[in-house]
Amino acid sequence: NAGVTQTPKFRVLKTGQSMTLLCAQDMNHEYMYWYRQDPGMGLRLIHYSVGEGTTAKGEVPDGYNVSRLKKQNFLLGLESAAPSQTSVYFCASIKREYGTQYFGPGTRLLVL
Amino acid sequence: AQSVTQPDIHITVSEGASLELRCNYSYGATPYLFWYVQSPGQGLQLLLKYFSGDTLVQGIKGFEAEFKRSQSSFNLRKPSVHWSDAAEYFCAVGATGCTSYGKLTFGQGTILTVHP
Repeated sequence: NAGVTQTPKFRVLKTGQSMTLLCAQDMNHEYMYWYRQDPGMGLRLIHYSVGEGTTAKGEVPDGYNVSRLKKQNFLLGLESAAPSQTSVYFCASIKREYGTQYFGPGTRLLVL
Repeated sequence: AQSVTQPDIHITVSEGASLELRCNYSYGATPYLFWYVQSPGQGLQLLLKYFSGDTLVQGIKGFEAEFKRSQSSFNLRKPSVHWSDAAEYFCAVGATGCTSYGKLTFGQGTILTVHP
């Protein structure tokens, strides 16, 4: 039981490049979330999903897209990376509403 | 919309001393409340949560938190801090209601340094 895993762990992008971050969970959780963490700002919700095939916008969705084609995977895409998207990205999942959120180890992204 | 304020950006305590981390929230009703801890380079780990009932909540690692409705606060406490408690601590609130979908709003975080 690996819990929540994130791929890659670290990535450097140039402005305008695209990439996809992968979050995978093996706990059969329904709800999944993508957050970004910036110094002094805590975690802010980017997008979330309440089940396979469904996604919704969070607090800071601009510049990101998501997909949840399989229940266990939640993908976060950056179509045209900008320096403002330099951050640490965390994925989380829960089995049901307000169960314990399990967090992945994070992906550190640097956009030059 | 809900919000969370952690007034202390950085707190330093001596090992063995008591600890209190402050958390104030803004929400129209009683929210769901959480405390998470993050060690450097790691993801977040849940310390404790409050949904309803007893306003004093016990968590892991010897932490507790008290919900005070009149003060809109959910402060985290530990009677005796260990060096391994050095980390960043986040308070979070979740809206109640059928369309809340478990979304959390986090505070800015408090960095705890422990001196030997």
